[in-house]
Amino acid sequence: DADVTQTPRNRITKTGKRIMLECSQTKGHDRMYWYRQDPGLGLRLIYYSFDVKDINKGEISDGYSVSRQAQAKFSLSLESAIPNQTALYFCATSDPIPGHFFLFFGPGTRLTVL
Amino acid sequence: DAKTTQPTSMDCAEGRAANLPCNHSTISGNEYVYWYRQIHSQGPQYIIHGLKNNETNEMASLIITEDRKSSTLILPHATLRDTAVYYCIVRVFWETSGSRLTFGEGTQLTVNP
Repeated sequence: DADVTQTPRNRITKTGKRIMLECSQTKGHDRMYWYRQDPGLGLRLIYYSFDVKDINKGEISDGYSVSRQAQAKFSLSLESAIPNQTALYFCATSDPIPGHFFLFFGPGTRLTVL
Repeated sequence: DAKTTQPTSMDCAEGRAANLPCNHSTISGNEYVYWYRQIHSQGPQYIIHGLKNNETNEMASLIITEDRKSSTLILPHATLRDTAVYYCIVRVFWETSGSRLTFGEGTQLTVNP
């Protein structure tokens, strides 16, 4: 079984709709992240969470919100989807080896906003 | 964190060594070099990391120049499954509130049969 899972894997929605992307992990990591990927722009950080009570904005958090329901679950919401939020979204966890930063990514969710 | 520069794309013949360069001329003494790769539309995968000594693991070797301003990831016997985008990332050792990895555009490596 995959260590980091994302649901749904693909989603098509319309402008203005609220949508939630879910991430679950069985790695036991405290730290979780949401990234989006657009062609030619690499991966950009949306939000990250170092534990259940700690939520932080990344470089492109506008238009997004997150919820850390438990250590193993981290959800990303688009309150009112717009077409430029069409992208590939990745959830990740990080290994807590002191000083280092090893990320483990999920398989991604391809979101299309019409 | 220091900025990195990588070629946009590279080609390699199957079975040959693939050498992927990365320039990080503004790296500071407490910054590590990390390499990740992303096979088409899958989540990125950690490959290797290093500070100043050369490193090797089951996936690859990492050569860091003595002045640490550049590094090379070596895949010794590239296979078709190594076709991916390779990201070179520099990051300060030890985490602080807000620390995270920033991915640039990476190098698209294409391994040809």
